[in-house]
Amino acid sequence: SQELEQSPQSLIVQEGKNLTINCTSSKTLYGLYWYKQKYGEGLIFLMMLQKGGEEKSHEKITAKLDEKKQQSSLHITASQPSHAGIYLCGADTFGSGNTGKLIFGQGTTLQVKP
Amino acid sequence: GAVVSQHPSWVICKSGTSVKIECRSLDFQATTMFWYRQFPKQSLMLMATSNEGSKATYEQGVEKDKFLINHASLTLSTLTVTSAHPEDSSFYICSAWDRDFGIYGYTFGSGTRLTVV
Repeated sequence: SQELEQSPQSLIVQEGKNLTINCTSSKTLYGLYWYKQKYGEGLIFLMMLQKGGEEKSHEKITAKLDEKKQQSSLHITASQPSHAGIYLCGADTFGSGNTGKLIFGQGTTLQVKP
Repeated sequence: GAVVSQHPSWVICKSGTSVKIECRSLDFQATTMFWYRQFPKQSLMLMATSNEGSKATYEQGVEKDKFLINHASLTLSTLTVTSAHPEDSSFYICSAWDRDFGIYGYTFGSGTRLTVV
């Protein structure tokens, strides 16, 4: 079965600093999703990457998928308190022989100090 | 865009009772729905995959007799936590998959916070 490893598990940064969260898959990624969440609330879709080498940006958040499609990174530039929350990477298991479903890494909890 | 409604958003129940959580796709037909559980400061753990008209597929370690899933129509899946205990207290969230959008087709409900007292 496919597994996702996220690092770091938690992160505390000073407002204005840049940060990177990594997500590594045990198998080739068919689709890699990034979500943001506050515990007890729904998921906010950030980005989905599909192609090797793909990079997408939205506001101050950039996500990349490596050429081999087994690792993704999420980079936040000039972090703000509004960026605080749990960041989750998810992988679609289509193409792995299983019924398509979305599984998640263990999450990265981000705190941004004003 | 695709919308998934989950109800209730929070529920408190007594130990030993059963609780039903509903997940509805409002503007699309979801042949497949997924149920996740999340404990504080932890990630979403997939509990089961629910296909319309057939039995749910449970992930390893999830008790199928305790977490009953019914997917009777293309727009509704329900999760019933039977004989709930305090350790079942958690955040439960569903996701519906719209096949017309393939890998872009996952939409999440807003979740249900279950507290068992």
